[in-house]
Amino acid sequence: AQSVTQLDSHVSVSEGTPVLLRCNYSSSYSPSLFWYVQHPNKGLQLLLKYTSAATLVKGINGFEAEFKKSETSFHLTKPSAHMSDAAEYFCVVSSRGGYNKLIFGAGTRLAVHP
Amino acid sequence: DADVTQTPRNRITKTGKRIMLECSQTKGHDRMYWYRQDPGLGLRLIYYSFDVKDINKGEISDGYSVSRQAQAKFSLSLESAIPNQTALYFCATSRTSGNFLGGETQYFGPGTRLLVL
Repeated sequence: AQSVTQLDSHVSVSEGTPVLLRCNYSSSYSPSLFWYVQHPNKGLQLLLKYTSAATLVKGINGFEAEFKKSETSFHLTKPSAHMSDAAEYFCVVSSRGGYNKLIFGAGTRLAVHP
Repeated sequence: DADVTQTPRNRITKTGKRIMLECSQTKGHDRMYWYRQDPGLGLRLIYYSFDVKDINKGEISDGYSVSRQAQAKFSLSLESAIPNQTALYFCATSRTSGNFLGGETQYFGPGTRLLVL
């Protein structure tokens, strides 16, 4: 069975400092992995996805994530936080088979301070 | 214009009432999904539909039903609402990739915030 664990429920950074949101996954095969962002009172927006191509995936708004099979991790990073990055972030794994089931982590709330 | 719309955006109802949440999409996608979001639990799948004639239960379907009226419309019903169905509900869509390995991107609506008193 697949699962996703987001290691931090809350992360707080200062504007201009790096962001690291940690995600570990469990899967018996090479998974497809996603990061979604949810701004307050908004729907979920896709930041980036990994589907067995390059292990370093670049997304929107300067975010990127690196797939590390040996560590079963897919951490999200950004070199310099902006106030507009304050949101909730979800790490997601996709199942194989015909029905594209998404399994969500519990989420990490990112706060950015001036 | 939003590609995936949900109505209503906010709803307050009472225990025992029937309520319907609606989702429409203009993306031309064949697959549609309903999720609920609870604090600290991420999103959990309620129902999913691969086309108008193909509807499947997700992990938490008890107390819910769905109808796929057309390729673009997928509604979620609570036949008799109860307080623990208070949550944020999301509709999502995706296009069949034909890829057994998964990885289809799902596109989400803005959500419906439901409060059951």
